[in-house]
Amino acid sequence: NAGVTQTPKFRILKIGQSMTLQCAQDMNHNYMYWYRQDPGMGLKLIYYSVGAGITDKGEVPNGYNVSRSTTEDFPLRLELAAPSQTSVYFCASNPGTSVDTQYFGPGTRLTVL
Amino acid sequence: EDQVTQSPEALRLQEGESSSLNCSYTVSGLRGLFWYRQDPGKGPEFLFTLYSAGEEKEKERLKATLTKKESFLHITAPKPEDSATYLCAVLGGAQKLVFGQGTRLTINP
Repeated sequence: NAGVTQTPKFRILKIGQSMTLQCAQDMNHNYMYWYRQDPGMGLKLIYYSVGAGITDKGEVPNGYNVSRSTTEDFPLRLELAAPSQTSVYFCASNPGTSVDTQYFGPGTRLTVL
Repeated sequence: EDQVTQSPEALRLQEGESSSLNCSYTVSGLRGLFWYRQDPGKGPEFLFTLYSAGEEKEKERLKATLTKKESFLHITAPKPEDSATYLCAVLGGAQKLVFGQGTRLTINP
């Protein structure tokens, strides 16, 4: 199993550009999450999904959108990138309930200039 | 609002020098407290889950304990490979993980 994979690993965007961060898991997990981590800070939840077709906002959803058309994939869309979105983005998944351990991907480092 | 505070922010130890990391939390209806290890440039790696006060878990040189207000991660006779950032997170009634800012641990040989 590859676990949770994320692409790209690094990306530089100009202000106002858009992009999609990809996340996939091959563990047949129902729950998937997107977090951002700023330097010296903990992880903050952006969006999460409890299954295909079901998504909900986390703590910091503004400026982002998500979709979940399959169990495996959970892309994060950035529209009109801003410098405040410079961060490291992590995708995570867990098997079936919120109490289960979350397994994290390797992260995408995004810089908006 | 659920909150997690970790201390110290950074800790330097000599190899073999035991110490503890602290995670203080306030949460509405604790469902679980999680410890993760994060190496530079990588995603968090799961270490432990604690569910109720008084519970303890061990893994190699690490031992996690839980009270009603805080959790400790005890590191016994650490080695340089234990150097990492250690993250604490709580899961409460809102069913969303809330993370602390982490403790950056450095073990000098």
